[in-house]
Amino acid sequence: GAVVSQHPSRVICKSGTSVKIECRSLDFQATTMFWYRQFPKQSLMLMATSNEGSKATYEQGVEKDKFLINHASLTLSTLTVTSAHPEDSSFYICSARSGTGYYNEQFFGPGTRLTVL
Amino acid sequence: DQQVKQNSPSLSVQEGRISILNCDYTNSMFDYFLWYKKYPAEGPTFLISISSIKDKNEDGRFTVFLNKSAKHLSLHIVPSQPGDSAVYFCAANLDRGSTLGRLYFGRGTQLTVWP
Repeated sequence: GAVVSQHPSRVICKSGTSVKIECRSLDFQATTMFWYRQFPKQSLMLMATSNEGSKATYEQGVEKDKFLINHASLTLSTLTVTSAHPEDSSFYICSARSGTGYYNEQFFGPGTRLTVL
Repeated sequence: DQQVKQNSPSLSVQEGRISILNCDYTNSMFDYFLWYKKYPAEGPTFLISISSIKDKNEDGRFTVFLNKSAKHLSLHIVPSQPGDSAVYFCAANLDRGSTLGRLYFGRGTQLTVWP
């Protein structure tokens, strides 16, 4: 089946620093990638949708200047949390979708646990 | 605003019995529903889905029922097995005719199947 990887799986950083999270589709080309954030005991909240070669579409309330998304190739999307603060600590999950069919399945990465001290 | 709701945070079932996980939604424009299973430290994996034009979809031990008038769907697992123990997320798709595939998730239900 389709595999999506994320790196790193866990990161701890100091407040004010920037952190980059990578999302890769390993055995398929992902025309669309999604970035989600999950707080403890909460649902997965979509942050942004990125299509290869174009600017990401951010959900309402998500600061695009703080959460930089780059989808430079069909197998890689990156999320950079700039000037991270403790309230940014969360579980970040990406998903990747191939093709453009309406019911094309999303494949999820294993997630990245970010802790900002 | 939580448009997809899973009101039971946890469910405990004995092995061999039926597990029923419930999900409610508020947006009548949702037209496709999915269930995902998630183990700790892993991303969600797709389990089963149903289109709004159907009221039931079955795949092996898993059956999803949809009641559009009640805006309610449920996932039945029978017989339940210890390996089914995981968090189950209900998700709904809003973008009718769109290729974006935006999903709205519930908060999940932790299923524990005990021997």
